[in-house]
Amino acid sequence: GQQLNQSPQSMFIQEGEDVSMNCTSSSIFNTWLWYKQDPGEGPVLLIALYKAGELTSNGRLTAQFGITRKDSFLNISASIPSDVGIYFCAGQLGNAGNMLTFGGGTRLMVKP
Amino acid sequence: AAGVIQSPRHLIKEKRETATLKCYPISRHDTVYWYQQGPGQDPQFLISFYEKMQSDKGSIPDRFSAQQFSDYHSELNMSSLELGDSALYFCASSLGGPKNTEAFFGQGTRLTVV
Repeated sequence: GQQLNQSPQSMFIQEGEDVSMNCTSSSIFNTWLWYKQDPGEGPVLLIALYKAGELTSNGRLTAQFGITRKDSFLNISASIPSDVGIYFCAGQLGNAGNMLTFGGGTRLMVKP
Repeated sequence: AAGVIQSPRHLIKEKRETATLKCYPISRHDTVYWYQQGPGQDPQFLISFYEKMQSDKGSIPDRFSAQQFSDYHSELNMSSLELGDSALYFCASSLGGPKNTEAFFGQGTRLTVV
């Protein structure tokens, strides 16, 4: 079953606004990954986090790995229409190989 | 550099038929994962291979089997197809081994069972 709780499930934002979404888990993950998926396409890797407390940026995206290794957030600054899509967090448990466990996704919709 | 290549992109099969999905990982990647994504759902892990050996097994039905070949490409074989097998099937690849690494996804195969 799903082990990652992702919120919010969906959100409408005004173009130019900042966005924040997060994932929490009852399990400790060694690695957190954030993906964006467009309809009918494969997830595209946005940011990978490896160390507790790590803060990483990729353009307008910023993600942080929680100190407890049980949570992570993703921020998008100055949103634009092409940010529309579904954002998934995914965790890797070190003792379970490299398989990814996905959160339920956050559907981002931008008002033009 | 080329990404993960999956074929076919779309597949329509009838109930009880068989299907084979193919995945060609990124060059030098030795680990392949298969995921199933139903409509409005998050991807669910099916199975993975590292260096041609099965490394992890998730919620893969007994009707499905998979393998990784010497050139590291992988095939997912699906038999006795059911309507509920209709989904997007994604393959991802990474550099394996004991260190956790980033997984890159293909564009997926949309399987429709009618």
